Amino acid sequence: DAGVTQSPTHLIKTRGQHVTLRCSPISGHKSVSWYQQVLGQGPQFIFQYYEKEERGRGNFPDRFSARQFPNYSSELNVNALLLGDSALYLCASSLTGLHGETQYFGPGTRLLVL
Amino acid sequence: AQSVTQLDSQVPVFEEAPVELRCNYSSSVSVYLFWYVQYPNQGLQLLLKYLSGSTLVKGINGFEAEFNKSQTSFHLRKPSVHISDTAEYFCAVSEAGYALNFGKGTSLLVTP
Repeated sequence: DAGVTQSPTHLIKTRGQHVTLRCSPISGHKSVSWYQQVLGQGPQFIFQYYEKEERGRGNFPDRFSARQFPNYSSELNVNALLLGDSALYLCASSLTGLHGETQYFGPGTRLLVL
Repeated sequence: AQSVTQLDSQVPVFEEAPVELRCNYSSSVSVYLFWYVQYPNQGLQLLLKYLSGSTLVKGINGFEAEFNKSQTSFHLRKPSVHISDTAEYFCAVSEAGYALNFGKGTSLLVTP
């Protein structure tokens, strides 16, 4: 079975631009979470979606937004990019996202903002 | 608010030696606890997790961890490491049951 897939694998943008990252969950999983991992740090929670609704949001500015589609895939959008947005963006999926279910991570999208 | 402290940023160890990676957390409520491993240029893979029940949790690749509620710790151990265990290890806590709050990671370097 295919794991969590993310696209693109790498991306270079300039300050002020907009970026869209994509994630396809494991088949049957209805919950998708997004994390930002800055170099040398642990991942930080950005969003979780379940059944197309936002369940939770971390401490990120409104420049960050996301959505989940009827097929449970998800997009993360970041507007007005800053140098500090350079990071590895990880997507994770799970069945419902609750009660300590295992979250399965994709390989990530590495974003570089110049 | 919950927080996770991984007490060692780097742990060098010789092959076939035992290793312990330390993790402490702070939370005012019951939590779920996790250890993830990240190999270079890859995503995270779950090693083990504690939800409830027995405080000694066994995971993949010979790793185990012990939940100590009084010391708010969840240390990861392996009795004999291999070169292939070289990776970044992350401890994570979840209060609400969905969002994971990660520590800063411990880099395990296994040398011959």
